[in-house]
Amino acid sequence: DQQVKQNSPSLSVQEGRISILNCDYTNSMFDYFLWYKKYPAEGPTFLISISSIKDKNEDGRFTVFLNKSAKHLSLHIVPSQPGDSAVYFCAASRFNNAGNMLTFGGGTRLMVKP
Amino acid sequence: ETGVTQSPTHLIKTRGQQVTLRCSSQSGHNTVSWYQQALGQGPQFIFQYYREEENGRGNFPPRFSGLQFPNYSSELNVNALELDDSALYLCASSPGTGSYTFGSGTRLTVV
Repeated sequence: DQQVKQNSPSLSVQEGRISILNCDYTNSMFDYFLWYKKYPAEGPTFLISISSIKDKNEDGRFTVFLNKSAKHLSLHIVPSQPGDSAVYFCAASRFNNAGNMLTFGGGTRLMVKP
Repeated sequence: ETGVTQSPTHLIKTRGQQVTLRCSSQSGHNTVSWYQQALGQGPQFIFQYYREEENGRGNFPPRFSGLQFPNYSSELNVNALELDDSALYLCASSPGTGSYTFGSGTRLTVV
């Protein structure tokens, strides 16, 4: 039972254009969502997050949109740069007093072509 | 530079053996989680420790166990290794704010 899904295993984008990575979830109890980026031989690096009380969060070139009714979130990267080429993971959690446990999607490999 | 360090980086074990993976978290991070990432998949939650007590567990059998120590270090122990245990094992720590800092992982190969 995969509660977080990233249906696109890969995405190729030209440098300077927008990259849009999508994520769907099924558990309506999730209230916090995160995006991580992973380079080979490194651990996931936190990019940006959003609480379920918001529908948009922006940090520089990165914007995350949350559509709770559709149980869908997306990460927009604009403009895309070759250094953005990596695997991107969407993660969701339900925060409790002892901390939150992350449920990850399967990842999307982004390739930004110069 | 990541504040979470894991050792060893790579490990090869024989089926049936036991293995201990280690993680050193950032100071002040009282929550540590362990994840298993199989090739081509996202990380899967194994368990979480908060102030040295296990406070959450994913769908992993009891032969996966852990410890968290007062100095913010932790261990993942796996007994009776199986071929399917071959994966990247990730340690992640948090001060309880909701986001985690991950280590670079230990690549375990079971032969």
